[in-house]
Amino acid sequence: EAGVTQFPSHSVIEKGQTVTLRCDPISGHDNLYWYRRVMGKEIKFLLHFVKESKQDESGMPNNRFLAERTGGTYSTLKVQPAELEDSGVYFCASSQDRQGTTDTQYFGPGTRLTVL
Amino acid sequence: GDSVTQMEGPVTLSEEAFLTINCTYTATGYPSLFWYVQYPGEGLQLLLKATKADDKGSNKGFEATYRKETTSFHLEKGSVQVSDSAVYFCALSDYSGYSTLTFGKGTMLLVSP
Repeated sequence: EAGVTQFPSHSVIEKGQTVTLRCDPISGHDNLYWYRRVMGKEIKFLLHFVKESKQDESGMPNNRFLAERTGGTYSTLKVQPAELEDSGVYFCASSQDRQGTTDTQYFGPGTRLTVL
Repeated sequence: GDSVTQMEGPVTLSEEAFLTINCTYTATGYPSLFWYVQYPGEGLQLLLKATKADDKGSNKGFEATYRKETTSFHLEKGSVQVSDSAVYFCALSDYSGYSTLTFGKGTMLLVSP
């Protein structure tokens, strides 16, 4: 069974440009999470989808970030326009996660974003 | 809010040495606790977990015990190998519907032959 995949693995862009990150969860996992690790700091939660619906987007830093999960399969995270402080590693995770359980989250390898 | 504090790294050990990486947490309710590991060039992998007080999670020779009285979940291994070199993250899920994770900053472990 394929794991969580993310694309691209690295992205280097200039301040003010737009970048779109993609995450493909494990097939059949309704729950999809985005996290971010800024250099030297904690991995922080950004948002959570249940199927195509945003369950919790309390971690999104500002309105330059837009996440979508059309059809409840893969998800995209767009940053527009990118700022220097957006640099970091963006992780995606998925789980079966029925409400009332603590199912394991399976993580992708991450996308390293560098904004110059 | 919830938080996880883990010891600063890097931790540098010789092969076969004993490993302890400290982790303490603050949370409302009764969280589940996790250790994730990130090997060089790879994504995060679940190493072990514990879902209630006094539970011991174990995997690949690593162990951690959920201590509610000290709000701790320290990671231990009796004899580390070079292949254990990685970044280790302590995390909690303060379950309130879905299991969003709160992570510590991570501790880099370097094991030399």
